[in-house]
Amino acid sequence: DQQVKQNSPSLSVQEGRISILNCDYTNSMFDYFLWYKKYPAEGPTFLISISSIKDKNEDGRFTVFLNKSAKHLSLHIVPSQPGDSAVYFCAANSGSARQLTFGSGTQLTVLP
Amino acid sequence: DAGVIQSPRHEVTEMGQEVTLRCKPISGHDYLFWYRQTMMRGLELLIYFNNNVPIDDSGMPEDRFSAKMPNASFSTLKIQPSEPRDSAVYFCASGQGAGQPQHFGDGTRLSIL
Repeated sequence: DQQVKQNSPSLSVQEGRISILNCDYTNSMFDYFLWYKKYPAEGPTFLISISSIKDKNEDGRFTVFLNKSAKHLSLHIVPSQPGDSAVYFCAANSGSARQLTFGSGTQLTVLP
Repeated sequence: DAGVIQSPRHEVTEMGQEVTLRCKPISGHDYLFWYRQTMMRGLELLIYFNNNVPIDDSGMPEDRFSAKMPNASFSTLKIQPSEPRDSAVYFCASGQGAGQPQHFGDGTRLSIL
């Protein structure tokens, strides 16, 4: 039973445009959500996070939105750059647990 | 700042051999996690430690897998005996607890022939 789902295995976007990556979760106990970026042959790199007490968190070109009622979060990248091409994982955990539950990842390709 | 350091980066060995993966967490982090990534199952948690004590090992697939953390700066994941289905990328991550992100090493790509 996948508790964190990324339904789009891949996404292609033109350079300079917005990239929107989506993630859905089923466990209502999750209260902390993260996005990681992964390049080939490297480990996942932390990108941005959001606590369930917020509905938006912004860091430069990256913004994460959380819709608790829909159990949905999204990552917006504006403007997209070719260096953003990577696999993006969303992850979640609940306050009492420290382990992260990961989605299956979305391969983002930013076309020059 | 040094990140999480894993060794070796690649390991190729024959079925039945013992395999030991190593991890040095970020200094000051009191949580350490071992994950495995496969095409079929994605990124899955194997075990995690808090202050060198194993807290949850429910993700360890079989008794052939064991993990230790003898001190705050070192952990090992051992597979004995290894099998071809253990082939995967194994990641170590460390973190500082609730509301803090985990930071990953670059992984060990393990191939069991």
